[in-house]
Amino acid sequence: QSALTQPPFVSAAPGQKVTISCSGTSSNIGKNYVSWYQQVPGTAPKLLIYDNNRRPSGIPDRFSGSKSGTSATLGITGLQTGDEADYYCGTRDSSLNIVVFGGGTKVTVL
Amino acid sequence: EVRLVQSGTEVKKSGESLKISCQASGYSFTAYWIAWVRQMPGKGLEWMGIIYPYDSDTRYSPSFQGQVTISADKSMTTAFLQWSSLKASDTAMYYCARPGYSDSDFDLWGQGTLVTVSS
Repeated sequence: QSALTQPPFVSAAPGQKVTISCSGTSSNIGKNYVSWYQQVPGTAPKLLIYDNNRRPSGIPDRFSGSKSGTSATLGITGLQTGDEADYYCGTRDSSLNIVVFGGGTKVTVL
Repeated sequence: EVRLVQSGTEVKKSGESLKISCQASGYSFTAYWIAWVRQMPGKGLEWMGIIYPYDSDTRYSPSFQGQVTISADKSMTTAFLQWSSLKASDTAMYYCARPGYSDSDFDLWGQGTLVTVSS
C-alpha cells in the first residue's frame, strides 16, 4: 500500500491529453513539493517535474504539473508513443521524515 | 559528465551478505545527499534511506531501519548499500539517486542493480 494514491492505468490516443492524479495527506503533499518521474520499462526513473510544476532542462513543455491541497496532477499533452511508461509521483512526508512515492500509473497510447 | 554508476547484477542465497555500490562522477560528491530506492518485481518505488557523504549523516525509512546499512566513502566517491543476511524478499532492483533541487527531487539516477536472492 503506497502512501500516495495514483490510478493504476490511463490511456489515450496519440495527440490527445492525459492527466494523472496523485492523492496524499496533510503531512505529505499538503506540506511539501511534489515531483513526478517517468520510468520506461527496463530503465531507471527520470525526473519530469519538481517543485510541483517546474521542469528540469530538456523536459518538453508537453509535461506539466500542478498541486492543490493534498493532491497533485501530472498532465501530458500531445501524447506520443514514446510516452508509454510508468509515472510516479513523490514527495516528502513531514511526519515520517521520509520520501514517499505513489504506486505508479501505466500510460498506454492507444 | 554527471553520472551515478552502480555495481552489477548479484545472485545470492538466503542468509548471505551483500554490499552493492554507486559511484558518483562529474560533480562534488560531498555536496549532495544520495538515496537508495527499491523496486520489487512489477512494483513501485520505495525510498529506503539517504546519506550525506560530507559527514555520513544517514537517515533510514522505518521500513528498512535495521534491515540494511547505507554508507559512503568520500575517497572513492561511492555510496554503498549492504545486507548482513539476505532474504528471498530482498529480491529487487535497487537504484541510487541524487536529490538535486531539494531533498526529495531526484534528478540523477544510477542504472540500477538487480539483486536476486534464492531460498
